Amino acid sequence: GAVVSQHPSRVICKSGTSVKIECRSLDFQATTMFWYRQFPKQSLMLMATSNEGSKATYEQGVEKDKFLINHASLTLSTLTVTSAHPEDSSFYICSARTSGGGTGELFFGEGSRLTVL
Amino acid sequence: DAKTTQPPSMDCAEGRAANLPCNHSTISGNEYVYWYRQIHSQGPQYIIHGLKNNETNEMASLIITEDRKSSTLILPHATLRDTAVYYCIVRTNTGNQFYFGTGTSLTVIP
Repeated sequence: GAVVSQHPSRVICKSGTSVKIECRSLDFQATTMFWYRQFPKQSLMLMATSNEGSKATYEQGVEKDKFLINHASLTLSTLTVTSAHPEDSSFYICSARTSGGGTGELFFGEGSRLTVL
Repeated sequence: DAKTTQPPSMDCAEGRAANLPCNHSTISGNEYVYWYRQIHSQGPQYIIHGLKNNETNEMASLIITEDRKSSTLILPHATLRDTAVYYCIVRTNTGNQFYFGTGTSLTVIP
């Protein structure tokens, strides 16, 4: 299957700082990427849908000014957690689908674990 | 997209078949059934999907009832590495978002 890579896999930061997480589709062009957040022992929660060259669409309850998403190319989307606080500590996962429809499945990155001290 | 209902947890003996059920009674005609699994602290992994016919690949088989209101994912010979949370999702194949439910935590026992 297609490969989606995230970086960094783990990041620890101080409260009040901003953290950027990258999501790359390595062997396909992704017109749409998705960002999820997962707290311990919980399911994945969709945060936003990122379309190349346009503004991201955020799910209800997700602060767009806190979670900045940029999808500047067909292979790269970034999530920036601004002014991070301990409650933002979570596992962030991106996914992408291939352009042109195909069989419709999403391919997921390995996830990025953020710890805010 | 239709909602799904799965049992929260299941156990399976190593080497036996694991049968994971999913109810999706409000599924519409153009919605597919997708199965993903998530091993601890990793991103979800695609397993299989289908519309109305049963499907099989190298990982699993998917059995969809004739009325499409439920399905079963079958891992024919479960191994310890199959211990994971399994998610059943229904959506159109041209639809955008995947919304995850609570899934089934499968534990394969030696």
